[in-house]
Amino acid sequence: DARVTQTPRHKVTEMGQEVTMRCQPILGHNTVFWYRQTMMQGLELLAYFRNRAPLDDSGMPKDRFSAEMPDATLATLKIQPSEPRDSAVYFCASGQQGRYGYTFGSGTRLTVV
Amino acid sequence: GIQVEQSPPDLILQEGANSTLRCNFSDSVNNLQWFHQNPWGQLINLFYIPSGTKQNGRLSATTVATERYSLLYISSSQTTDSGVYFCAVPMNRDDKIIFGKGTRLHILP
Repeated sequence: DARVTQTPRHKVTEMGQEVTMRCQPILGHNTVFWYRQTMMQGLELLAYFRNRAPLDDSGMPKDRFSAEMPDATLATLKIQPSEPRDSAVYFCASGQQGRYGYTFGSGTRLTVV
Repeated sequence: GIQVEQSPPDLILQEGANSTLRCNFSDSVNNLQWFHQNPWGQLINLFYIPSGTKQNGRLSATTVATERYSLLYISSSQTTDSGVYFCAVPMNRDDKIIFGKGTRLHILP
C-alpha cells in the first residue's frame, strides 16, 4: 500500500532550538496538508500546498513556523525557535484534489522542554 | 466558515454491540471523509463518501448531502474498534479540509 512517510517519528528538543519535520507524500498526489494535534485544540490545519505551491498558511504562527515543498517528493515544516507550547503531534496528509480523500502519515510527536 | 459537529462526544459499549456515529455540517460539501484514530495515534482513512452509502466489512457510512449529515455505522464492535472517529469536510472549494472534534469510542471486552 502507498503511504505518506513522516520523519522523525519522535523528537525531543530544548526550547529555542530549530526543529525540522519532513514528509514524503504519496507519488502522484498533488495536495499536501500539515496539521497539528493537541488535546486542547484537536486537529488544526497549519498549511497546505497544491502542485507544490502554498495555498494557505493562515493557521501557522508566521514568526516561527515555515512550510515548504522543495520538490514533489518532500514537504518540510520548520519551527525556529521552538517553544514548549509547540509540543504536539504534527501530521502530514496527501491526496489528489477531488478524488478519493486524503491519506495521513503516522505523525511526528514533538516535545519541547 | 463551515461548522462540523459530531455526536456523541463519547461512547462506551460492550464488545459485540452496534453503534451509530453522526456528523452534521453547516454548509453543502462536495466530499466528506471518515477517519479512525487508533490508540497509537494513527489516523486511518475509513471512507471517502461525498454522498450515498458505502460498506467495508463491519463498517458502513451514509452521507445525505442535501440534509447535511453523515452517519458511520459499526456493527458487532470489537475492542480494536476503540479510538476516536473523525469526520472531515472541505472548508471551501479549494479542498481545505477541517475536522470535527471527534467521537471517542471505547469498546469493553
